[in-house]
Amino acid sequence: GAVVSQHPSWVICKSGTSVKIECRSLDFQATTMFWYRQFPKQSLMLMATSNEGSKATYEQGVEKDKFLINHASLTLSTLTVTSAHPEDSSFYICSARDLFFSGSTDTQYFGPGTRLTVL
Amino acid sequence: SQQGEEDPQALSIQEGENATMNCSYKTSINNLQWYRQNSGRGLVHLILIRSNEREKHSGRLRVTLDTSKKSSSLLITASRAADTASYFCATENTGNQFYFGTGTSLTVIP
Repeated sequence: GAVVSQHPSWVICKSGTSVKIECRSLDFQATTMFWYRQFPKQSLMLMATSNEGSKATYEQGVEKDKFLINHASLTLSTLTVTSAHPEDSSFYICSARDLFFSGSTDTQYFGPGTRLTVL
Repeated sequence: SQQGEEDPQALSIQEGENATMNCSYKTSINNLQWYRQNSGRGLVHLILIRSNEREKHSGRLRVTLDTSKKSSSLLITASRAADTASYFCATENTGNQFYFGTGTSLTVIP
């Protein structure tokens, strides 16, 4: 089946620094990728929808200047947490929609997640 | 918020028993999907049911969907200790956005 990878899988950074998380679709083209955040013992919250070649659409309450999303190619989307603070510590998960492999828009593949800890 | 709700929040059963979890959502949907997540790990896709379907089976899993009540249920039959995980429903709305429910934490006691 289709595979989505994330890098890094785990990152620790100091408060005030920026962290970039990559999401790659390894064997299919993804015109749309989604970014989620999950706090401990909570559900996944959709942060933004990223379409290749256009600006991301952010969910209400998500600061677009803080969470920069770039989707420059059909296989790569990046999420940059700028000036990270301890409250940004979370599990960040991306997913990619496979439009061509299965011919179905239902299929969405999730990455393994990136655990961010801000000290 | 378009996040759905699941109940119960936590469920503890003996191995061999059946586990039922429910999901309610708020908007019109294209499909509803169920996922499991082991602690601190990624998501595993379990089953997808489309808005025009009412019931679907996959192995020990049975999913129902009632669009009039905006609700779905996931039944795991003959549970095993390895089924211990968090289970989430997720709905894809007509705008092709994907929202997760609050989750049910299932513990199967050997």
